[in-house]
Amino acid sequence: EVQLVESGGGLVQPGGSLRLSCAASGISFSSSWMHWVRQAPGKGLVWVSRINNDGSGTTYADSVKGRFTISRDNAKNTLYLQMNSLRAEDTAVYYCARGSGAGILEFFDYWGQGTLVTVSS
Amino acid sequence: EIVLTQSPATLSLSPGERATLSCRASQSVGSYLAWYQQKPGQPPRLLIYDASNRATGIPARFSGSGSGTDFSLTIASLEPEDFAVYYCQQRSNWPPTFGGGTKVEIK
Repeated sequence: EVQLVESGGGLVQPGGSLRLSCAASGISFSSSWMHWVRQAPGKGLVWVSRINNDGSGTTYADSVKGRFTISRDNAKNTLYLQMNSLRAEDTAVYYCARGSGAGILEFFDYWGQGTLVTVSS
Repeated sequence: EIVLTQSPATLSLSPGERATLSCRASQSVGSYLAWYQQKPGQPPRLLIYDASNRATGIPARFSGSGSGTDFSLTIASLEPEDFAVYYCQQRSNWPPTFGGGTKVEIK
């Protein structure tokens, strides 16, 4: 059974930092390209970041570029998202998801349950 | 970036009825379109990828069609568990984008 389990969310003040983790099992993690997708309360889905299978390539949405850093530890089957200079508009449930499919981009075949990040004073 | 417009925003139907959801792209995405289902408090679930391919374990009542800029998701006969929000997503151009969603609610 595939499991992606996020952790690390919580309440943080504007300008603060948080690191999210996503522990994977049941998939070949070291072969998988991984993503973070977020969803503000009551809103739709927004792609945040992608990392390739060995961690050598990363991409970010313009809204988080320069503030967020995606990384991975294949020995621990874990994906990370370091979030700095957080803003109120970063408030959302953050999902990790596995990318799948040939081509320059992927669809998302497995999703974690999500972790809520709230940025507020 | 490619904008995906889903319609209608809300679809009110009864169990057993046929549902047809639309997703229109601001430019061609070829066949690189996926559909997801999301229920309250749950993550999205992949239903259809590359326009018409059902994901593993997805019932045959779900089908996808279209190419270029116009796509449809059809639920042949609504089951009680199908009432949810549905999103489309393109993987043709950077960045990957999602539509705003269609809520299928019980009439």
